Amino acid sequence: EPEVTQTPSHQVTQMGQEVILRCVPISNHLYFYWYRQILGQKVEFLVSFYNNEISEKSEIFDDQFSVERPDGSNFTLKIRSTKLEDSAMYFCASSEYLAGAPGELFFGEGSRLTVL
Amino acid sequence: RKEVEQDPGPFNVPEGATVAFNCTYSNSASQSFFWYRQDCRKEPKLLMSVYSSGNEDGRFTAQLNRASQYISLLIRDSKLSDSATYLCVVNKGNQGGKLIFGQGTELSVKP
Repeated sequence: EPEVTQTPSHQVTQMGQEVILRCVPISNHLYFYWYRQILGQKVEFLVSFYNNEISEKSEIFDDQFSVERPDGSNFTLKIRSTKLEDSAMYFCASSEYLAGAPGELFFGEGSRLTVL
Repeated sequence: RKEVEQDPGPFNVPEGATVAFNCTYSNSASQSFFWYRQDCRKEPKLLMSVYSSGNEDGRFTAQLNRASQYISLLIRDSKLSDSATYLCVVNKGNQGGKLIFGQGTELSVKP
């Protein structure tokens, strides 16, 4: 069964450092997303991406965040200067159709980011 | 009012019980509705989409009431393996692809 893969599974970093989280979406999917979940809280939307550009982003997705699809397979989330409050599980997801249309979001297993 | 609000948990039920989860959403423009399941420290996985006419998948039944902006999930004959957090999920109603997740309701099924 095709799946979304994410690396690293866990990253520990110092406050102020740059972090790049990597994702390989399902190959025939066209829509890509990043969500995050702070421990004990709900899953929150960060950004959606289609046709090499951002479709929508949340208020959380400020100038410290960026996304990129550097080649035909990877989808990355960069946090330029991490803050303590960036500590969370970051989920990448992909879908064949736009989220909310028929078809589900497939999530990766997540990258746990710990900022010290 | 929260965008998506669910019953606070946890629900602790014996095997074989029937359990119902409720959810309300605030955006009347929302068009698509889902129940996702999340096991502890794992990724969310789609359990079922929710359609206006209501839909059933085995032991699971989902209902939608657009007028009341209310969604429900019924689990019959619950199994130990149903223990998880159930997430009510609604799309924002625009074309940006944003899904809004509820806080989740934790279910624990005991032998």
